[in-house]
Amino acid sequence: QKEVEQDPGPLSVPEGAIVSLNCTYSNSAFQYFMWYRQYSRKGPELLMYTYSSGNKEDGRFTAQVDKSSKYISLFIRDSQPSDSATYLCAMSVGGGFKTIFGAGTRLFVKA
Amino acid sequence: DTAVSQTPKYLVTQMGNDKSIKCEQNLGHDTMYWYKQDSKKFLKIMFSYNNKELIINETVPNRFSPKSPDKAHLNLHINSLELGDSAVYFCASSQDVPNYGYTFGSGTRLTVV
Repeated sequence: QKEVEQDPGPLSVPEGAIVSLNCTYSNSAFQYFMWYRQYSRKGPELLMYTYSSGNKEDGRFTAQVDKSSKYISLFIRDSQPSDSATYLCAMSVGGGFKTIFGAGTRLFVKA
Repeated sequence: DTAVSQTPKYLVTQMGNDKSIKCEQNLGHDTMYWYKQDSKKFLKIMFSYNNKELIINETVPNRFSPKSPDKAHLNLHINSLELGDSAVYFCASSQDVPNYGYTFGSGTRLTVV
């Protein structure tokens, strides 16, 4: 079993839809949780990070962490065609230099 | 100004050759990394340097050798290239530990033929 599981998709939604992207993990020591967006042939770009449990909002993006269920989510409101990309979750224990990435979910937002 | 820059962007080479990829960051970060992304988009850490000191060395063939001349530069040299080395290699940096994320370069697409 991988430490971080993420459905690779693809996930296809119409413009304006609310998108929900998720990851599960097995290591209860993870405390820092990140979401990256990666456009085709580009490097991953940090979208959001959260520490421990709870929600964090930034514009149309909301990150949610449920440590009791070992489950994290990224919600995208009013999705746009420009949101079409691969979304990678990532997490770390903290205090170390290693981050574990999910496999990424490919998202298509149709105009 | 590009924060993390890698060269070259594309590299096509024959099996058995030796090649290098260079990375530079102008963010003043203390820690730099090499990641490998396979065809399924899975990112896996290879090496990490903190203030020029090697701190992560994952299970990577010893044909791969990183070198950090100073904390703003991290290079990757690959000897005797194999078909299985074909992937995208990303350089990244973080301010000390990466709890708040990395800044990635745009990647080097390596194709071994």
